[in-house]
Amino acid sequence: GNSVTQMEGPVTLSEEAFLTINCTYTATGYPSLFWYVQYPGEGLQLLLKATKADDKGSNKGFEATYRKETTSFHLEKGSVQVSDSAVYFCALKREGGTYKYIFGTGTRLKVLA
Amino acid sequence: EPEVTQTPSHQVTQMGQEVILRCVPISNHLYFYWYRQILGQKVEFLVSFYNNEISEKSEIFDDQFSVERPDGSNFTLKIRSTKLEDSAMYFCASSVDRGTGELFFGEGSRLTVL
Repeated sequence: GNSVTQMEGPVTLSEEAFLTINCTYTATGYPSLFWYVQYPGEGLQLLLKATKADDKGSNKGFEATYRKETTSFHLEKGSVQVSDSAVYFCALKREGGTYKYIFGTGTRLKVLA
Repeated sequence: EPEVTQTPSHQVTQMGQEVILRCVPISNHLYFYWYRQILGQKVEFLVSFYNNEISEKSEIFDDQFSVERPDGSNFTLKIRSTKLEDSAMYFCASSVDRGTGELFFGEGSRLTVL
Protein backbone atom coordinates (compact mmCIF):
# COMPACT_ATOMS: atom_id res chain seq x y z
CA GLY A 1 0.00 0.00 0.00
CA ASN A 2 0.89 3.66 0.01
CA SER A 3 2.83 4.98 2.97
CA VAL A 4 5.19 7.68 4.19
CA THR A 5 8.06 7.15 6.60
CA GLN A 6 9.87 10.04 8.22
CA MET A 7 12.69 10.19 10.69
CA GLU A 8 11.77 10.10 14.33
CA GLY A 9 12.27 13.15 16.42
CA PRO A 10 12.76 15.18 18.30
CA VAL A 11 15.51 16.89 16.36
CA THR A 12 17.34 19.50 18.42
CA LEU A 13 19.62 21.98 16.66
CA SER A 14 21.36 25.21 17.47
CA GLU A 15 20.37 28.35 15.61
CA GLU A 16 22.00 28.62 12.15
CA ALA A 17 22.63 24.87 11.94
CA PHE A 18 21.82 22.86 8.82
CA LEU A 19 18.61 20.88 8.91
CA THR A 20 17.69 17.64 7.18
CA ILE A 21 14.51 15.74 7.93
CA ASN A 22 14.34 12.49 5.99
CA CYS A 23 11.17 11.30 4.29
CA THR A 24 10.71 8.24 2.11
CA TYR A 25 7.55 7.00 0.52
CA THR A 26 5.94 3.94 -0.98
CA ALA A 27 3.40 4.49 -3.73
CA THR A 28 2.43 3.25 -7.13
CA GLY A 29 2.63 5.63 -10.04
CA TYR A 30 3.53 9.27 -9.58
CA PRO A 31 2.18 10.75 -6.36
CA SER A 32 2.42 14.39 -5.39
CA LEU A 33 4.58 15.04 -2.33
CA PHE A 34 4.16 17.64 0.41
CA TRP A 35 5.69 18.99 3.57
CA TYR A 36 3.31 20.44 6.12
CA VAL A 37 4.35 22.30 9.28
CA GLN A 38 2.50 22.67 12.56
CA TYR A 39 3.55 25.53 14.82
CA PRO A 40 2.53 25.35 18.51
CA GLY A 41 -1.20 25.95 18.95
CA GLU A 42 -1.91 26.04 15.22
CA GLY A 43 -3.17 23.72 12.50
CA LEU A 44 -1.01 22.06 9.87
CA GLN A 45 0.06 24.46 7.11
CA LEU A 46 1.45 23.64 3.70
CA LEU A 47 5.17 24.42 3.61
CA LEU A 48 6.07 23.20 0.13
CA LYS A 49 5.13 20.64 -2.47
CA ALA A 50 6.37 18.88 -5.61
CA THR A 51 4.14 17.21 -8.14
CA LYS A 52 6.56 15.30 -10.37
CA ALA A 53 9.94 13.65 -10.31
CA ASP A 54 12.96 16.00 -9.99
CA ASP A 55 10.74 18.92 -9.01
CA LYS A 56 12.09 21.01 -6.16
CA GLY A 57 9.63 22.61 -3.76
CA SER A 58 10.84 25.60 -1.79
CA ASN A 59 9.46 28.09 0.71
CA LYS A 60 10.81 30.19 3.60
CA GLY A 61 14.33 28.86 3.01
CA PHE A 62 13.20 25.23 3.12
CA GLU A 63 13.70 22.94 0.12
CA ALA A 64 12.83 19.39 -0.84
CA THR A 65 13.48 17.54 -4.09
CA TYR A 66 11.21 14.78 -5.43
CA ARG A 67 13.58 11.85 -6.02
CA LYS A 68 11.79 8.98 -7.68
CA GLU A 69 14.89 6.78 -7.91
CA THR A 70 15.26 6.79 -4.12
CA THR A 71 11.55 7.40 -3.37
CA SER A 72 12.53 10.27 -1.11
CA PHE A 73 11.51 13.85 -0.39
CA HIS A 74 13.94 15.03 2.29
CA LEU A 75 13.39 18.46 3.81
CA GLU A 76 16.43 20.74 4.12
CA LYS A 77 17.21 24.22 5.34
CA GLY A 78 20.64 25.78 5.34
CA SER A 79 20.33 27.84 8.52
CA VAL A 80 17.52 27.25 10.98
CA GLN A 81 16.04 29.85 13.31
CA VAL A 82 14.35 29.53 16.68
CA SER A 83 11.08 30.41 14.92
CA ASP A 84 11.39 27.21 12.84
CA SER A 85 10.66 25.14 15.95
CA ALA A 86 7.58 23.12 15.00
CA VAL A 87 6.40 19.67 13.94
CA TYR A 88 7.04 18.82 10.28
CA PHE A 89 4.87 16.30 8.40
CA CYS A 90 5.71 14.63 5.11
CA ALA A 91 2.70 13.61 3.02
CA LEU A 92 1.76 12.17 -0.35
CA LYS A 93 -1.31 12.14 -2.54
CA ARG A 94 -1.67 9.47 -5.17
CA GLU A 95 -2.38 10.51 -8.71
CA GLY A 96 -5.92 9.98 -9.92
CA GLY A 97 -9.25 10.66 -8.31
CA THR A 98 -8.43 10.07 -4.66
CA TYR A 99 -9.20 12.72 -2.08
CA LYS A 100 -6.92 11.13 0.47
CA TYR A 101 -3.57 12.48 1.64
CA ILE A 102 -1.24 10.06 3.43
CA PHE A 103 0.86 11.55 6.20
CA GLY A 104 3.86 10.47 8.19
CA THR A 105 4.10 10.61 11.96
CA GLY A 106 5.64 14.07 12.06
CA THR A 107 9.11 15.12 13.22
CA ARG A 108 9.42 17.63 16.03
CA LEU A 109 12.18 20.21 15.50
CA LYS A 110 13.49 22.28 18.39
CA VAL A 111 15.94 25.08 17.61
CA LEU A 112 17.91 26.54 20.49
CA ALA A 113 19.20 30.11 20.57
CA GLU B 1 -6.60 35.58 6.49
CA PRO B 2 -9.37 32.97 6.24
CA GLU B 3 -8.90 29.93 8.42
CA VAL B 4 -10.53 26.68 9.42
CA THR B 5 -11.87 26.77 12.97
CA GLN B 6 -12.64 23.79 15.18
CA THR B 7 -14.53 23.39 18.43
CA PRO B 8 -14.05 22.21 21.07
CA SER B 9 -10.30 22.36 21.43
CA HIS B 10 -10.42 19.59 24.01
CA GLN B 11 -13.22 17.25 25.04
CA VAL B 12 -13.18 14.59 27.71
CA THR B 13 -15.92 11.97 27.55
CA GLN B 14 -16.86 8.64 29.03
CA MET B 15 -16.66 5.48 26.96
CA GLY B 16 -19.96 4.83 25.19
CA GLN B 17 -20.97 8.48 25.00
CA GLU B 18 -21.70 10.32 21.79
CA VAL B 19 -19.37 13.10 20.74
CA ILE B 20 -19.77 15.77 18.07
CA LEU B 21 -16.76 17.68 16.83
CA ARG B 22 -17.45 20.85 14.91
CA CYS B 23 -15.59 22.61 12.14
CA VAL B 24 -16.13 25.75 10.10
CA PRO B 25 -14.22 25.36 6.82
CA ILE B 26 -13.02 28.28 4.72
CA SER B 27 -16.07 29.77 3.07
CA ASN B 28 -15.26 29.30 -0.62
CA HIS B 29 -13.86 25.79 -0.22
CA LEU B 30 -15.77 22.86 -1.66
CA TYR B 31 -14.01 19.79 -0.22
CA PHE B 32 -13.94 18.91 3.46
CA TYR B 33 -11.98 16.32 5.38
CA TRP B 34 -11.47 14.78 8.78
CA TYR B 35 -8.13 13.34 9.82
CA ARG B 36 -7.00 12.08 13.19
CA GLN B 37 -3.71 11.49 14.97
CA ILE B 38 -3.42 9.08 17.83
CA LEU B 39 -0.57 10.16 20.08
CA GLY B 40 2.78 9.20 18.56
CA GLN B 41 1.24 7.74 15.43
CA LYS B 42 0.63 8.91 11.87
CA VAL B 43 -1.96 11.45 10.85
CA GLU B 44 -4.69 9.21 9.38
CA PHE B 45 -7.34 10.03 6.81
CA LEU B 46 -10.89 9.40 7.99
CA VAL B 47 -13.26 10.83 5.42
CA SER B 48 -13.73 13.38 2.67
CA PHE B 49 -16.98 15.17 1.83
CA TYR B 50 -18.05 16.96 -1.31
CA ASN B 51 -21.36 18.14 -2.70
CA ASN B 52 -23.17 17.06 0.47
CA GLU B 53 -22.02 13.48 0.42
CA ILE B 54 -19.09 11.34 1.44
CA SER B 55 -16.66 11.11 -1.45
CA GLU B 56 -14.13 8.77 0.13
CA LYS B 57 -13.62 7.11 3.51
CA SER B 58 -11.04 4.94 5.17
CA GLU B 59 -11.49 1.60 6.88
CA ILE B 60 -11.33 3.46 10.20
CA PHE B 61 -14.54 5.32 9.35
CA ASP B 62 -17.00 2.62 10.36
CA ASP B 63 -20.67 2.80 11.33
CA GLN B 64 -19.81 4.56 14.59
CA PHE B 65 -18.72 7.63 12.64
CA SER B 66 -20.80 10.04 10.61
CA VAL B 67 -20.31 13.44 9.05
CA GLU B 68 -22.77 16.15 8.25
CA ARG B 69 -22.92 19.63 6.83
CA PRO B 70 -26.06 20.82 8.60
CA ASP B 71 -25.96 24.34 7.18
CA GLY B 72 -23.86 26.39 4.82
CA SER B 73 -20.94 26.80 7.18
CA ASN B 74 -20.52 23.94 9.67
CA PHE B 75 -19.04 20.50 9.05
CA THR B 76 -19.39 18.01 11.89
CA LEU B 77 -17.94 14.65 12.84
CA LYS B 78 -20.07 12.50 15.13
CA ILE B 79 -18.86 9.46 17.00
CA ARG B 80 -21.92 7.56 18.21
CA SER B 81 -20.49 5.45 20.98
CA THR B 82 -16.94 6.37 21.84
CA LYS B 83 -14.28 3.76 22.60
CA LEU B 84 -10.99 4.21 24.42
CA GLU B 85 -9.12 3.85 21.13
CA ASP B 86 -10.97 6.87 19.72
CA SER B 87 -8.79 9.08 21.92
CA ALA B 88 -6.85 11.22 19.45
CA MET B 89 -6.42 14.66 17.97
CA TYR B 90 -9.02 15.18 15.26
CA PHE B 91 -8.18 17.61 12.47
CA CYS B 92 -10.67 19.16 10.10
CA ALA B 93 -9.41 20.39 6.74
CA SER B 94 -10.82 21.98 3.63
CA SER B 95 -9.61 22.62 0.10
CA VAL B 96 -10.68 24.47 -3.01
CA ASP B 97 -10.19 21.42 -5.21
CA ARG B 98 -9.16 17.79 -4.91
CA GLY B 99 -6.16 17.93 -7.19
CA THR B 100 -2.72 18.66 -5.91
CA GLY B 101 -3.98 21.71 -4.12
CA GLU B 102 -3.37 22.68 -0.54
CA LEU B 103 -5.28 21.37 2.42
CA PHE B 104 -6.10 24.00 5.03
CA PHE B 105 -6.26 22.54 8.52
CA GLY B 106 -7.84 23.63 11.74
CA GLU B 107 -5.97 23.55 15.05
CA GLY B 108 -7.49 20.24 15.99
CA SER B 109 -9.86 18.94 18.65
CA ARG B 110 -8.32 16.68 21.24
CA LEU B 111 -10.68 13.92 22.30
CA THR B 112 -9.97 11.97 25.46
CA VAL B 113 -12.15 8.93 26.14
CA LEU B 114 -12.08 7.60 29.70
